[in-house]
Amino acid sequence: EVQLLESGGGLVQPGGSLRLSCAGSGFTFSNYAMSWVRQAPGKGLEWVSGISGSGGITYYTAGVKGRFTISRDNSNNALYLELNSLTAEDTALYYCAKGLWIGELSPPFDCWGQGTLVIVSS
Amino acid sequence: DIQMTQSPSSLSASVGDRVTITCRASQGISNYLAWLQQKPGKAPKSLIYGASTLQSGVPSRFSGSGSWTEFTLTISSLQPEDFATYYCQQYNDYPLTFGGGTKVEIK
Repeated sequence: EVQLLESGGGLVQPGGSLRLSCAGSGFTFSNYAMSWVRQAPGKGLEWVSGISGSGGITYYTAGVKGRFTISRDNSNNALYLELNSLTAEDTALYYCAKGLWIGELSPPFDCWGQGTLVIVSS
Repeated sequence: DIQMTQSPSSLSASVGDRVTITCRASQGISNYLAWLQQKPGKAPKSLIYGASTLQSGVPSRFSGSGSWTEFTLTISSLQPEDFATYYCQQYNDYPLTFGGGTKVEIK
């Protein structure tokens, strides 16, 4: 069974940093592109960042470029999102999502984690 | 960026009703369109990809259609477990973008 489990969220002050993790299991992790998608309280879904299966290609939404860094450790089946220079607008539930097809850079998603909550507040 | 616009933003329907949700893309995306369902307090669930292909395990009462800029999600006979918020999402190009969501409520 494919599973994704996020961790690392928490309360952080404006300007602070966090590192989110997503542990994948039940599939060959390195074969699939992965993404981070966030949802602010009471709002819709917003794609944040994506990474190819090898980790060599990364994508970001404009609002986080230069502040967030996506990476992966395929030997440990782990996806990461480093969040820096956080503002209140980054407060959200952060989900990791798995691409549906092997090797595709821009696939639809087929599996989502349960999310990890990031709250940016003083 | 490709803008995705869903309508309506909310609707009220009864069990057994046929429900249709529309999604429009600001530019052509071929059939690179997915539909997702989200229930309160839960993670999104992927329903459809390729505009019309059901993900594994999704009931056949769900169907999708459309191409290029106009897409629809239809629930042929609404069931109690279908009351949720539905999102469209394009994966034609980065940044990936979602529609604003359609909340399906009980009448």
